[in-house]
Amino acid sequence: AQKVTQAQTEISVVEKEDVTLDCVYETRDTTYYLFWYKQPPSGELVFLIRRNSFDEQNEISGRYSWNFQKSTSSFNFTITASQVVDSAVYFCALSGTSYGKLTFGQGTILTVHP
Amino acid sequence: DTEVTQTPKHLVMGMTNKKSLKCEQHMGHRAMYWYKQKAKKPPELMFVYSYEKLSINESVPSRFSPECPNSSLLNLHLHALQPEDSALYLCASSQPGLAEETQYFGPGTRLLVL
Repeated sequence: AQKVTQAQTEISVVEKEDVTLDCVYETRDTTYYLFWYKQPPSGELVFLIRRNSFDEQNEISGRYSWNFQKSTSSFNFTITASQVVDSAVYFCALSGTSYGKLTFGQGTILTVHP
Repeated sequence: DTEVTQTPKHLVMGMTNKKSLKCEQHMGHRAMYWYKQKAKKPPELMFVYSYEKLSINESVPSRFSPECPNSSLLNLHLHALQPEDSALYLCASSQPGLAEETQYFGPGTRLLVL
């Protein structure tokens, strides 16, 4: 069975602080895919990144960066110099050999105060 | 602009009403999904259509009836719902057949059952 754990239920920071959202996963699949989605108050899940199990390169996109470590089964997400617009619920998700099925973590509510 | 659209944005219905939720995607995808999301929880998969055929039904009660008229449209027909069915209903689309394929979500319909 697959499992995704986001241990931080809520995080509160002040604007311009850096913040890291943790994601730990469990799977028996040798090939799998990891995702991060952002859900602002409007409700839509916005796709941020996909990483496959064979690619452990870290990625940076603007103020966002992702650290994938297979050895610790973690796929952490860092926002540098956070802004109020980053306030949202962030979901880490995993897909494996069961086509069409995403296993979501419980989500982390991020609040960035001005 | 999102390429997955959903109507209506909000819906209030009584337990004896019949209503439908609509989803349209403009991404050329051949897989479409319905999810249900309760407050402060991750999305839960309900149905998956692949090439206009129902491929996954996650044991959803028969008061929810999906329909895929063509490759870009997905409906969810609602009948005799219960108050506990109140939730955010999300539609998503992807290319079918591969676990790596990213699911892209619409803005959702917020449903309240009285």
